[in-house]
Amino acid sequence: GQNIDQPTEMTATEGAIVQINCTYQTSGFNGLFWYQQHAGEAPTFLSYNVLDGLEEKGRFSSFLSRSKGYSYLLLKELQMKDSASYLCAAPIAWGGGNKLTFGTGTQLKVEL
Amino acid sequence: DAGITQSPRHKVTETGTPVTLRCHQTENHRYMYWYRQDPGHGLRLIHYSYGVKDTDKGEVSDGYSVSRSKTEDFLLTLESATSSQTSVYFCAISEGNSGNTIYFGEGSWLTVV
Repeated sequence: GQNIDQPTEMTATEGAIVQINCTYQTSGFNGLFWYQQHAGEAPTFLSYNVLDGLEEKGRFSSFLSRSKGYSYLLLKELQMKDSASYLCAAPIAWGGGNKLTFGTGTQLKVEL
Repeated sequence: DAGITQSPRHKVTETGTPVTLRCHQTENHRYMYWYRQDPGHGLRLIHYSYGVKDTDKGEVSDGYSVSRSKTEDFLLTLESATSSQTSVYFCAISEGNSGNTIYFGEGSWLTVV
């Protein structure tokens, strides 16, 4: 089975840096995804880590440690539009595809 | 834009009535999924498909059935809607190779009264 845990809520200040953590326990691990979801909208893809280390993509970076079952999403130079829910998800490979299992999401509020 | 269209986008229905949600993709992806999203539970997989007429259950499949007669369409049916099925339903697609990104449709808001 799999468990994915992430904090429920976080608050940060515009212009600051915030780190959203995710811990997971999965069988048949096949990388880790991060999605962003604004209220009333669909989740949108942010990043996918399959190897250990940090991957940077503009203001967003994602880190993975497979041995520790741990990932984080780092958001720099926060903007008000970054207020959203951030979903950590672990894909389980089956039939050549991915079956994603999601955490409950971290609601990030960016304040002035 | 991942080329996924869900219909209807919003629906209110009465308890006990059948409801069908449609997902249509233009990407010719092999894999399609139906998720529901509820407060406190996050996204949960209902059913998925790995090809035409090939479907399987997810973690919350009770009360739901699916069909996929064409690559581009994946239908989710609530045979007899209940209030517990009030939720937001997301369709998703993926190309299918291990590690491929899953893309979501815009969502269908269903209220069962």
